[in-house]
Amino acid sequence: DTAVSQTPKYLVTQMGNDKSIKCEQNLGHDTMYWYKQDSKKFLKIMFSYNNKELIINETVPNRFSPKSPDKAHLNLHINSLELGDSAVYFCASSQDPRNYNSPLHFGNGTRLTVT
Amino acid sequence: GESVGLHLPTLSVQEGDNSIINCAYSNSASDYFIWYKQESGKGPQFIIDIRSNMDKRQGQRVTVLLNKTVKHLSLQIAATQPGDSAVYFCAEGSLFKAAGNKLTFGGGTRVLVKP
Repeated sequence: DTAVSQTPKYLVTQMGNDKSIKCEQNLGHDTMYWYKQDSKKFLKIMFSYNNKELIINETVPNRFSPKSPDKAHLNLHINSLELGDSAVYFCASSQDPRNYNSPLHFGNGTRLTVT
Repeated sequence: GESVGLHLPTLSVQEGDNSIINCAYSNSASDYFIWYKQESGKGPQFIIDIRSNMDKRQGQRVTVLLNKTVKHLSLQIAATQPGDSAVYFCAEGSLFKAAGNKLTFGGGTRVLVKP
């Protein structure tokens, strides 16, 4: 199936640990994103990569580091996890963002719970 | 900062009736608007988008209306079905290259379809 897939779907870990979330898209898109959705359903962009180049970097703690080995993959590594990092993290992709007909395609999310 | 918001957090609608979901935006520089549907446990799914040079766009059973004068966006769903039950998000953005595809999402409206 053509899709944006992210793993794991659920991630439960303790404070202070380091964890990674992986994302892959087989849609042939040039741009990938990470969004964070809090408990109130607010979605906020964290990062965006276009052809492996960082183009959007919102005010996100340095503990979060995206890595894009190629344009089909964008992983998110989080160091020293804190309770406030608990949220659902969504990966998304799109064609060239200058293209009007390029809506975001989202993965199904990774629910991160920090205890 | 600038934000996108919604008037109604929860909308209950009878199956077969039409639904209207409203959204107010505050960034007058936004020229691209989009509606997403998020079902439980899934990522947001693209419904329909509209550019600021249009005031109406129709899709299958959905219509998006844009009123730039009052910075208002609405999504109309015709003949609402049980499968339409979800959280709906509006989002605004810019098609300028410098902005990438950075979307600002509203807080979401939950639509509950009653049989």
